[in-house]
Amino acid sequence: GAVVSQHPSRVICKSGTSVKIECRSLDFQATTMFWYRQFPKQSLMLMATSNEGSKATYEQGVEKDKFLINHASLTLSTLTVTSAHPEDSSFYICSFGGHSNQPQHFGDGTRLSIL
Amino acid sequence: GDSVTQMEGPVTLSEEAFLTINCTYTATGYPSLFWYVQYPGEGLQLLLKATKADDKGSNKGFEATYRKETTSFHLEKGSVQVSDSAVYFCALSTRSGNTGKLIFGQGTTLQVKP
Repeated sequence: GAVVSQHPSRVICKSGTSVKIECRSLDFQATTMFWYRQFPKQSLMLMATSNEGSKATYEQGVEKDKFLINHASLTLSTLTVTSAHPEDSSFYICSFGGHSNQPQHFGDGTRLSIL
Repeated sequence: GDSVTQMEGPVTLSEEAFLTINCTYTATGYPSLFWYVQYPGEGLQLLLKATKADDKGSNKGFEATYRKETTSFHLEKGSVQVSDSAVYFCALSTRSGNTGKLIFGQGTTLQVKP
C-alpha cells in the first residue's frame, strides 16, 4: 500500500517555540493534502486542505497565521506551528488524498507536547 | 451538514466473539464510506471502503455494507482477536469539489481480552 512518512513522530518543546512537521509520500503523488488534529480519546478534526502550488483552505476556527502550511510539491507538505503554547499540544496527522471515492493515506502522526 | 455517528465505546469483547460497531451517516448526495483503524500511538490505516449503495467492503475478516435506505455502514467481524484491539473510525467522503474531504465519526475503542 501507499506509504506516507511523517516526522518527527514526537516533539517536546518550550512554549513560544515554532515547530515544523513534515509529511512526505514515498511512492505516489497527490495534488491534495489534509492536516488533522486529534485530542486524546477524540476523533480527528480537519484543520486545513491544501493543493500543491496554491494556498491552503483552513477550517473554521483554525488560525491560518498560527498553523502555516506549505505544500511545496506533489509529495511534500509541511505544517509549522508558530509560537506554540501548551494548548497546541495534540496529535497532528497528515494525509494525502485525491478523488472523493479514493481513500486517503495517512502518516503515523506527530505527538506535540508544549511545556 | 454532513456528519457521521458511531456507537460509543469502549467495546470490550472476549477473543473469538462477534463484533458489531454501528455507524450511521447524514450526507447530501452519495458519499463514499470508509472504516479506518488506529492502533495505539499510530496514524490511521484504511480498513475497508464502499463507494456506492449495497457495496460490501471487506478486509482481514471485517465487513461493512453500504445501506442507503438506513444510511448505515456497520462494521462486523465474526471472530475477533486480541490483535484487533484498536480505535475504529467510520468516515464519509463528500463529493464537494471532488477533493475527498473526510468527515469522521467520534471513534469506537475496541478491547479484546484473551
